[in-house]
Amino acid sequence: DAGVTQSPTHLIKTRGQQVTLRCSPKSGHDTVSWYQQALGQGPQFIFQYYEEEERQRGNFPDRFSGHQFPNYSSELNVNALLLGDSALYLCASSLPGGLSTEQYFGPGTRLTVT
Amino acid sequence: QQQVKQSPQSLIVQKGGISIINCAYENTAFDYFPWYQQFPGKGPALLIAIRPDVSEKKEGRFTISFNKSAKQFSLHIMDSQPGDSATYFCAAFNQAGTALIFGKGTTLSVSS
Repeated sequence: DAGVTQSPTHLIKTRGQQVTLRCSPKSGHDTVSWYQQALGQGPQFIFQYYEEEERQRGNFPDRFSGHQFPNYSSELNVNALLLGDSALYLCASSLPGGLSTEQYFGPGTRLTVT
Repeated sequence: QQQVKQSPQSLIVQKGGISIINCAYENTAFDYFPWYQQFPGKGPALLIAIRPDVSEKKEGRFTISFNKSAKQFSLHIMDSQPGDSATYFCAAFNQAGTALIFGKGTTLSVSS
C-alpha cells in the first residue's frame, strides 16, 4: 500500500519564476493538506483540499494556490517566487470525509529559490 | 502568535535513558494532540496522539501525558535508543478540524 507520494524530490528555481508541486494521497484518502517547513522550523499549514475545493487556508499570500483532481491528487502552485519561499513543502493526506484528525505526510519537495 | 510552544529545542540522552519533551498550548478549542517524528530528508511520521479526555496514552516505549487544566502535554520516550535520534514535533488540531498547528521541534540525540 503506497503512502503519500510527492514529486519532484528537489527543485531549484529562480526568483520571480513559478513552480508546481504534485502530491498523490495515501490509498483510500480523499483529503489533502499542504504545509511549508522552513529549515529548523515546524511545518506551517498552507491550505487543505477536499472534494476538489479549498476547505481552509492558512496565513499565506495569494501567490500560493492549489488544485485537487477527481482522483484526489493535488497540486501546489507558487507564483512570483521569493527567496523566502525556499523550504520543504509537505503534502499530508487523511481519511475520507475530510474530518479525520490523522494526517499522514509525504517525504516532501525541497524547493530552493536562487 | 505561536499557539503551541515546545521545549527543549534540543536534547541529549544516554542510551537506555528517558527522553522528555514538553509542549504547551493556548487555545482550549484544540482537541487532538499528535506527536510526529522526523528524520533528516524525510516527512514527519505520526508517532502517537491523544485527546483531552485521556490523561495518558502509551504505545510501546512512547507515552503521552496530558494535563488539560495546565494546557500542557509531554512525550516520554522510555529506554531511548540511538535509532530514536530525530526531530520531534508536537502539534494540535485547529478549531476547524483541518490544520495541524506545530511546535518548533526538538532535536533528540541519543548517545550510545
